[in-house]
Amino acid sequence: DSGVTQTPKHLITATGQRVTLRCSPRSGDLSVYWYQQSLDQGLQFLIQYYNGEERAKGNILERFSAQQFPDLHSELNLSSLELGDSALYFCASSLRGVSDTQYFGPGTRLTVL
Amino acid sequence: EDQVTQSPEALRLQEGESSSLNCSYTVSGLRGLFWYRQDPGKGPEFLFTLYSAGEEKEKERLKATLTKKESFLHITAPKPEDSATYLCAVREDQGAQKLVFGQGTRLTINP
Repeated sequence: DSGVTQTPKHLITATGQRVTLRCSPRSGDLSVYWYQQSLDQGLQFLIQYYNGEERAKGNILERFSAQQFPDLHSELNLSSLELGDSALYFCASSLRGVSDTQYFGPGTRLTVL
Repeated sequence: EDQVTQSPEALRLQEGESSSLNCSYTVSGLRGLFWYRQDPGKGPEFLFTLYSAGEEKEKERLKATLTKKESFLHITAPKPEDSATYLCAVREDQGAQKLVFGQGTRLTINP
């Protein structure tokens, strides 16, 4: 158990809908990262937050957004969902910045029908 | 662009049969190479971080080594519970300094 929690574990929704994925980092960690893992793309970095502020962006679509709250939990919002958004979404956390080891949560499996 | 290539894509071994997984990378300046283990449907589990050529780290039946262009994950006398996908990632030297992951090696250990 890494100490990173993610909810929900599974999410099934329809095209065009909007969903919110939630992540709680390990106790004491200030950075949260979001990744998408699909069969053909592997693990892709989406976005990083550090102590409430956006720190780095990867291949995140404009339909996706995230935020980190004062209690350091983070939410990833996915809107106007398409079939291709079906994937595993992982959250990771680290003590400070990207120099530190990232510990991953169990993931949320999103299925868009 | 920074790239990470892992080989082989899949490897099937008998219990006790030692082998090595390869991770080759191209980055302008390495700021850390990471190995993770991932079981099906689960999150990646951290194994090792290597920072400089010549560095080695060990944990139970696993040993990770690093050269200037690649890293190896050596598995000695593996057991069925070592079956998993092993992921390698490098941290970029510039820009977002994000982790760039390889596609992974799917390892199966038969009893």
